Amino acid sequence: EDQVTQSPEALRLQEGESSSLNCSYTVSGLRGLFWYRQDPGKGPEFLFTLYSAGEEKEKERLKATLTKKESFLHITAPKPEDSATYLCAAQEYGGSQGNLIFGKGTKLSVKP
Amino acid sequence: EAQVTQNPRYLITVTGKKLTVTCSQNMNHEYMSWYRQDPGLGLRQIYYSMNVEVTDKGDVPEGYKVSRKEKRNFPLILESPSPNQTSLYFCASSSHDRRGYTFGSGTRLTVV
Repeated sequence: EDQVTQSPEALRLQEGESSSLNCSYTVSGLRGLFWYRQDPGKGPEFLFTLYSAGEEKEKERLKATLTKKESFLHITAPKPEDSATYLCAAQEYGGSQGNLIFGKGTKLSVKP
Repeated sequence: EAQVTQNPRYLITVTGKKLTVTCSQNMNHEYMSWYRQDPGLGLRQIYYSMNVEVTDKGDVPEGYKVSRKEKRNFPLILESPSPNQTSLYFCASSSHDRRGYTFGSGTRLTVV
């Protein structure tokens, strides 16, 4: 069964303390790996899509990387405004029509 | 501004009273989808539509209906809501290549 697993479930950081979030996936053929940010009570906000192993994308303090089995979201010198839940989703080729399979998310809290 | 608009944002209803949650997008996207989000379960797909008059079931379709009579609109219908449908609902849209998804702001539904 296709699956996306995120770890840790929750992460507390001090402002400036860099860390990484993990997303491991098992799909038969990965078409794309998506990262979203979600603030409480709001819709997911698109961050990145990665398509092939070795690919990296950056946006401000965030950098996403992809291997054949997992993706990492690296947060460098985080600020309190980076506090949110980060979701990853795998999209596979074929029968599911490119639908997204979401992980349960990592809730990040950054304390000043 | 490119966006997905859901209405209402909040809804409290009683068991068995039919309701419709509307979703509209202004990006001329072919693909639209409904998700529900529950604590500990993440985002799960309810229904999706590849284009006008083309809809299909997602992972949790029981108790829901959809229609796609116009490209921009994709309403979610609960014919006889039950308390287990209390959830946070999101509509999303994407162009035909499904390489980028835009989410609405969400509808928080409570069925008592």
